[in-house]
Amino acid sequence: AQSVTQLGSHVSVSEGALVLLRCNYSSSVPPYLFWYVQYPNQGLQLLLKYTTGATLVKGINGFEAEFKKSETSFHLTKPSAHMSDAAEYFCAVSHGFSGGYNKLIFGAGTRLAVHP
Amino acid sequence: GAGVSQSPSNKVTEKGKDVELRCDPISGHTALYWYRQSLGQGLEFLIYFQGNSAPDKSGLPSDRFSAERTGGSVSTLTIQRTQQEDSAVYLCASSPGGASYGYTFGSGTRLTVV
Repeated sequence: AQSVTQLGSHVSVSEGALVLLRCNYSSSVPPYLFWYVQYPNQGLQLLLKYTTGATLVKGINGFEAEFKKSETSFHLTKPSAHMSDAAEYFCAVSHGFSGGYNKLIFGAGTRLAVHP
Repeated sequence: GAGVSQSPSNKVTEKGKDVELRCDPISGHTALYWYRQSLGQGLEFLIYFQGNSAPDKSGLPSDRFSAERTGGSVSTLTIQRTQQEDSAVYLCASSPGGASYGYTFGSGTRLTVV
């Protein structure tokens, strides 16, 4: 069965500091991996995704993530935090069935706080 | 439409009443999903639609919950005899189908049962 673990339910960084949000997954088949961001009182917005190919993927708002199969990880990073990055971030995994059922399994989320 | 639309955005109801939550997916998206997000919790899968059929309804918490989708488009999630533990944000998402696309989410319906 697939699962996603996000280490740290709350992360706090200073403005301009590195952002690192951790995600580890378990999957018996090659996974598709996603990061979503949720701003207050809004739905989830796709930040980036890994399907196949290059293991370092770039997303919106300067975020990127690297798929490391040997570590079963897909950590999210941003070199320099901005106040507007304060939000909740969710990592998700799905099966890679072509044309099939895309059921995303979500982690519990990490709330990012950015302070001046 | 341009995005996934959910209505109402907020709903306060009395315990024991029935509620209907509506989701209008992106035009052409064949897959539609309902999730529940309780305060401080992650996302709990409720049900998945492919077209008008629901191959996976394993996440519905009880028989008080039901959902339908008509015309391969709009979906309605119905909660009968609401309980306080049903209070949560109900999120709808749609996808073109296929595992690599990810979902597009609506802004959710915040349900409060008093």
